[in-house]
Formats: sequence, structure tokens, C-alpha cells
Amino acid sequence: GQNIDQPTEMTATEGAIVQINCTYQTSGFNGLFWYQQHAGEAPTFLSYNVLDGLEEKGRFSSFLSRSKGYSYLLLKELQMKDSASYLCAVIGTGGSYIPTFGRGTSLIVHP
Amino acid sequence: EAGVAQSPRYKIIEKRQSVAFWCNPISGHATLYWYQQILGQGPKLLIQFQNNGVVDDSQLPKDRFSAERLKGVDSTLKIQPAKLEDSAVYLCASSRGQGLAKNIQYFGAGTRLSVL
Repeated sequence: GQNIDQPTEMTATEGAIVQINCTYQTSGFNGLFWYQQHAGEAPTFLSYNVLDGLEEKGRFSSFLSRSKGYSYLLLKELQMKDSASYLCAVIGTGGSYIPTFGRGTSLIVHP
Repeated sequence: EAGVAQSPRYKIIEKRQSVAFWCNPISGHATLYWYQQILGQGPKLLIQFQNNGVVDDSQLPKDRFSAERLKGVDSTLKIQPAKLEDSAVYLCASSRGQGLAKNIQYFGAGTRLSVL
């Protein structure tokens, strides 16, 4: 089975940097996705990692260590609109590439 | 490109009643997913289709939930009869295919179900 762990809630200040962690224990690994979900809205894709290392995409970066079962999402120059839930999703092995989502981290950005 | 369409946006029913949700994925997307998202939790996969075939439905409560994607395009999810614990947002998502690089999911706005 899959077990994905994320902090429930984080707060940060506008303009700062925040790191949201995700640890996972899965039966095999085929990649990890991060999605952003604003309250009452659908999740939207942010990034994915297949190999170890850092993937940078503007203000957002995502890091993966497969040997440690660990990923983080780094948000720089925080803006108020970044207040949202951040979902970590792991794709296990098997030809069906079935995703399992964590419960999400609610990020609150304050002035 | 049009996004994933879902209807209705909101539904309120009494327990033991039936309800159906509809989803139209992005044109050309072979894979379609239905998720249940309870408040404060991440999406839980109920069923995954590849074209009109079921890839995984291991978490679908088959005694009350059913889903179909008859022509490999749009899909319906039905609950019959509904229970109080079915109150949640039901999200539909689609992706191009099963290859990892193509498996970015695009979500619809969801249907918020309240069972009273």
C-alpha cells in the first residue's frame, strides 16, 4: 500500500520562502506530483519529479530523494494568492500508474 | 482548450436517495478518474478508466457506487443509496494516457454533495 505524510498546516509571511515536506512509503515508485488547490476549487498541477534532484519552475521548485522517500515543494517570494492547500501525490509501480494523494498541507500567507 | 466539465456543481439529497454526477474530460484524453474528497483530506481515487475500460476500482464501494464510461469519452458516477458519510466533493480528472510523462491530471471544478 501507499502511505503519504504531509504537515497539516503551515503559515508564512508575504515575501518569505516556505518549504512543504512530503514523505512517502510506497510499494514501488514511479514519480511524484505536486498540486495546488485553492479553497473550493479544483487541484491544479504544479510539478513532478521522477529522478532525484531539484526541479525549478519560476517561484516554485520541487525536490526528490527516492532513497529517503522524501520530497519538498519550495515556494519563494510568497504572495497572498499562494494561500492554498498543497497536495503531494505518488505514483506507484504497476502498469496502471495509479496515483495516491496525501491529505494536503494548508498554507496560510499573511501580510 | 476546454477544461474538464462536471455537473451539477452542487447537490443536496437525503440519505437513501440516489444521485448521479456527470463528467466530460478534455478532448483526446484517454484516462479518466473519479475522486472523492472529504473536507480537510486529499482526493481519494474511486475509479480510473483507460478509454472505456476500468483500470482500477479497488476503492469504489461497489455495493452503492457505480461508474461507467460507455463510449470512452464522458462518464457518470452514481450513488444508490446515499449515506451521510458520502458527503464530499466528487472530482473528475483526465489525462492524456498512462505514460508517466503524460499523466498530468487536469481536474474539473467538482460536485459538492451534501447528504442530509
